[in-house]
Amino acid sequence: QVQLQESGPGLVKPSETLSLTCTVSGGSIRGYYWSWIRQPPGKALEWIGYIYYSGTTNYNPSLESRVTMSVDMSENQFSLKLNSVTAADTAVYYCAREVGGGSYCDYWGQGTLVTVSS
Amino acid sequence: DIVMTQSPASLGVSLGERATINCRSNQSILYSSINKNYLAWYQQKPGQTPKLLIYWASTRQSGVPDRFTGSGSGTDFSLTINSLQPEDVAVYFCQQYFGTPPTFGPGTTVDV
Repeated sequence: QVQLQESGPGLVKPSETLSLTCTVSGGSIRGYYWSWIRQPPGKALEWIGYIYYSGTTNYNPSLESRVTMSVDMSENQFSLKLNSVTAADTAVYYCAREVGGGSYCDYWGQGTLVTVSS
Repeated sequence: DIVMTQSPASLGVSLGERATINCRSNQSILYSSINKNYLAWYQQKPGQTPKLLIYWASTRQSGVPDRFTGSGSGTDFSLTINSLQPEDVAVYFCQQYFGTPPTFGPGTTVDV
């Protein structure tokens, strides 16, 4: 059974960089697309983007200028960096496995709340 | 971006009764040449990770009970839960993956 677990700071200061890592267990990163999705309080889920195990990425155009995703196959992890954060970036951040790039997700992490505040 | 809406926002159903959740997209998410609707449904129980229920609008994910049925085409879709069970109390949301970026509905809360 594939499991995903997000990790990273729960509090980030405005204008700084949000950094999260997703560790995949029970399966390999190889061969799949891996995505980040977030949910601001009281709002719908928002797709941030995906990274293929080979390193190919595709980001939401609304966030593209601030997002970087990377993958570490040796650690079976992938990561998200979102720079120049504001309070609007406060959300529960989920990592997930996509069935095809920009597709539906068959496995999700538990989610981690990241608050942007000074 | 394709906008997804859901109705109702919340739904109270008696145990053993049927629950129907509606999802609408502001443009067609049917890829006509292969006759596939690019729509998925998820369930999220309190404190738990989202779970994929349905993809391609009507294909049940492995292990999902057959009381969950997805239907619809084009812009209008439904998720039906037949004979609601206590463990079905959750938030249900739809997702389109026809356009980029994929977008999600706001969710429907189902309780008893």
